[in-house]
Amino acid sequence: DIQMTQSPSSLSASVGDRVTITCRASQSISSYVNWYQQKPGKAPKFLIYAASSLQSGVPSRFSGSGSGTDFTLTISSLQPEDFATYYCQQSYSTPRTFGQGTKLEIK
Amino acid sequence: QVQLQQSGPGLVKPSQTLSLTCAISGDSVSSTSTTWNWIRQSPSRGLEWLGRTYYRSKWYNDYAVSVKSRITINPDTSKNQFSLQLNSVTPEDTAVYYCARDQEAFSINDAFDIWGQGTMVTVSS
Repeated sequence: DIQMTQSPSSLSASVGDRVTITCRASQSISSYVNWYQQKPGKAPKFLIYAASSLQSGVPSRFSGSGSGTDFTLTISSLQPEDFATYYCQQSYSTPRTFGQGTKLEIK
Repeated sequence: QVQLQQSGPGLVKPSQTLSLTCAISGDSVSSTSTTWNWIRQSPSRGLEWLGRTYYRSKWYNDYAVSVKSRITINPDTSKNQFSLQLNSVTPEDTAVYYCARDQEAFSINDAFDIWGQGTMVTVSS
């Protein structure tokens, strides 16, 4: 199975800050990475596919990059509604696997 | 728009069978470009993919090794839904269970784009 490791596990930031979350795959997975946002008590929300393509309706302050084993999710200017937990997920092989999550908290 | 509506009990006794259903609206369980998945989430395991069903001229299933001996995912074309059965449950199966659509499966755009609302299932006597 491909392991997805996110860092940091948690992050404190302020409204307006630029933040970056990193995800590393245990083997090369080309650009087969997706990102999700989850708020308490809710299902994950799909944000980014194929490492850098923004899902329709997702604000442009979200962006993704990377290929191979190293990937990043960047939020250019944090908004109050962005405080949540973020997950990466690989779609390169079965079983599909997720990172352990990065909790983004208000400073 | 596509929606997934989950149903099923929130409490299951140890050694019994967990059964959940995911009703699809706005898409078809027989779609040849998607797969239909079950994913669970617990504090100890995080987000864990359990398995999927999909149609490509015939029906296929894939299951996670961790549950392969206990899991069945079935499509129901007459009701446009799919189901999860997990046998011989233990307290370690306590989790929030989600159904999810995998868009453009097996392509670079493969991702879980639509999720059900989640069902908290507790395994306890």
